[in-house]
Amino acid sequence: AQTVTQSQPEMSVQEAETVTLSCTYDTSENNYYLFWYKQPPSRQMILVIRQEAYKQQNATENRFSVNFQKAAKSFSLKISDSQLGDTAMYFCAPAWGNMLTFGGGTRLMVKP
Amino acid sequence: DVKVTQSSRYLVKRTGEKVFLECVQDMDHENMFWYRQDPGLGLRLIYFSYDVKMKEKGDIPEGYSVSREKKERFSLILESASTNQTSMYLCASSAGTGSGEQYFGPGTRLTVT
Repeated sequence: AQTVTQSQPEMSVQEAETVTLSCTYDTSENNYYLFWYKQPPSRQMILVIRQEAYKQQNATENRFSVNFQKAAKSFSLKISDSQLGDTAMYFCAPAWGNMLTFGGGTRLMVKP
Repeated sequence: DVKVTQSSRYLVKRTGEKVFLECVQDMDHENMFWYRQDPGLGLRLIYFSYDVKMKEKGDIPEGYSVSREKKERFSLILESASTNQTSMYLCASSAGTGSGEQYFGPGTRLTVT
C-alpha cells in the first residue's frame, strides 16, 4: 500500500516569514504527479501546486514552491512571505493513476 | 472553472436514519469520489466511480453505498446512520485522463446523534 506521511501536525509562522511543510511517501511507481492542497477554515479544498515526478525542475507558483526529491520520496512545500490568508490545513497528495492518497495534514497558523 | 457542489453544508441526523449526500459536477468529468475527513487522518476514500453506473470500493466502504445514475451526479448513501459516521464528507471529481488532479466540493459536515 502506498502511504503518505506529514510529520508536522501543526506549525506556526510569523507573517512575511518563510515556512516549509514536510511530506514523505512510499511508492514503487515511477511516473506520477504530486499535489499540495490547502483547506482554509471555509473547508474548500484548493489546489496549491502540482509537480510531475518525471520533471527534475521543482514547481513554483508565486509564493509557493516545492522541493521534490524523487529518490528520497520527499515532497516539501515552501511558503515564502507568509500571509494571514495562508492560515489553513495543508495536505500532501501524490496521485497514482486516478487515485490520490492524502497525508494526515499540517495545520498552519500565520501570526500577525 | 470546475464547479463541484454538495447538497448540504451541515446535516444533523438521528441514529438509524437513511442519509443521502448528493454531489454534482459541471465539467463532464468521468471520475467522481467520496471521501471522509477526520482530524489527524487526512482524507480517506469511501467509494469512487469512473463511469455512469460503475463504482469501486475505496479504503473504508463499510456502512456506505453509492449511486451514479448520471455522469454529473454521485450520491453517497448511509443506509442506517450511526454515531461513528459523524464526520466531514467531501466529494471530488477528475477527468478520465491526465494528472489525476481532483476538484473538490465544499464539504458536508454530518452529525449523527
